Amino acid sequence: DAGVIQSPRHEVTEMGQEVTLRCKPISGHNSLFWYRQTMMRGLELLIYFNNNVPIDDSGMPEDRFSAKMPNASFSTLKIQPSEPRDSAVYFCASSLALGGSNTDTQYFGPGTRLTVL
Amino acid sequence: ELKVEQNPLFLSMQEGKNYTIYCNYSTTSDRLYWYRQDPGKSLESLFVLLSNGAVKQEGRLMASLDTKARLSTLHITAAVHDLSATYFCAVASNFGNEKLTFGTGTRLTIIP
Repeated sequence: DAGVIQSPRHEVTEMGQEVTLRCKPISGHNSLFWYRQTMMRGLELLIYFNNNVPIDDSGMPEDRFSAKMPNASFSTLKIQPSEPRDSAVYFCASSLALGGSNTDTQYFGPGTRLTVL
Repeated sequence: ELKVEQNPLFLSMQEGKNYTIYCNYSTTSDRLYWYRQDPGKSLESLFVLLSNGAVKQEGRLMASLDTKARLSTLHITAAVHDLSATYFCAVASNFGNEKLTFGTGTRLTIIP
């Protein structure tokens, strides 16, 4: 299995531009998570989906951030417009949730390092 | 709101020594995870602990969970350089919820 795939691996953009991060979860997994990691705030959950449906988006910082999961094998995280404070590493993770209680661990992708100038 | 605290934040230890990393959390939970992150890399799953008294071991690492004390420990035995990394614990918010709250991480450096 290729694991969780993220693209791009690095993104440098200017303030005000739109940024789209992409994620392909592990085949057969039905839950997908977007995290942000910074030195100041550590690792934060932004949003997670189960069976392509957003379940908890309480970590999405503001309306500039949006996430979609149009099918079981693809998700996007979009920032529009981007700001320098959005600079961080964004991780996507997936897991297999069984019944109502997920005991499976979350498998993380390699991350996208975003720099907003 | 679930809060997860790890200590120490930084740990520098000599090869061959033993040490323990602590993870405290503020509310009842049914699952606790330990992850490892190498510099500039992703997170790698180490252990999943699901019940009070659970103990898991892999090589020189052993994790345990005390749900009554809301405490998990990650014990390192006879440390070797390859164990240098940042270790995170993560706690599930509540029963059946998949949302994880991560601790601040413990940056472990093993000195030859």
